[in-house]
Amino acid sequence: DQQVKQNSPSLSVQEGRISILNCDYTNSMFDYFLWYKKYPAEGPTFLISISSIKDKNEDGRFTVFLNKSAKHLSLHIVPSQPGDSAVYFCAASATRAAGNKLTFGGGTRVLVKP
Amino acid sequence: EAQVTQNPRYLITVTGKKLTVTCSQNMNHEYMSWYRQDPGLGLRQIYYSMNVEVTDKGDVPEGYKVSRKEKRNFPLILESPSPNQTSLYFCASSSSSYEQYFGPGTRLTVT
Repeated sequence: DQQVKQNSPSLSVQEGRISILNCDYTNSMFDYFLWYKKYPAEGPTFLISISSIKDKNEDGRFTVFLNKSAKHLSLHIVPSQPGDSAVYFCAASATRAAGNKLTFGGGTRVLVKP
Repeated sequence: EAQVTQNPRYLITVTGKKLTVTCSQNMNHEYMSWYRQDPGLGLRQIYYSMNVEVTDKGDVPEGYKVSRKEKRNFPLILESPSPNQTSLYFCASSSSSYEQYFGPGTRLTVT
């Protein structure tokens, strides 16, 4: 059973508008969450992260929100740009997880239309 | 330039023919991992290593082997590949933080 789920496989948004990507998790031991971005024929690249002691983390156009009680996190991209078109993966880890293991969601493909 | 490299990038092989995918990082990272990416399943960890000569199984280790004889290299070995190992493979490395650096990927097809 997947411990990290991204229920929307795809998202289409107009340039300049907000993109909201959602992620749910089931394992209450997870205490660190990351978002990765992936372009075709490239490896995932780290985008932004949040620790469970926070409920929000912001980096430029990207903001991640964490709702621990709901076991839910979201990534907001404002404003969306055509270069943001990519697959986004949510990932989670537990403190002292062996090997810094990350558990990934299935990904959400974002298309930003000019 | 800090990077993780993988070779080959693309590979088509036949069932049962042993193969090795190489992975190398130049960041002096202790941790290295192999993941496979399959549609709808995201990335799943195959094996990981916390340092030289220290390796352990991830979530989907069946049919794979690894070794860590040097800190920079972490090859993935498929002794007898099968069609269900057709996938996109990523090597990753990290220091003590959770943020992992990924290689460009190896697309493997086993017929």
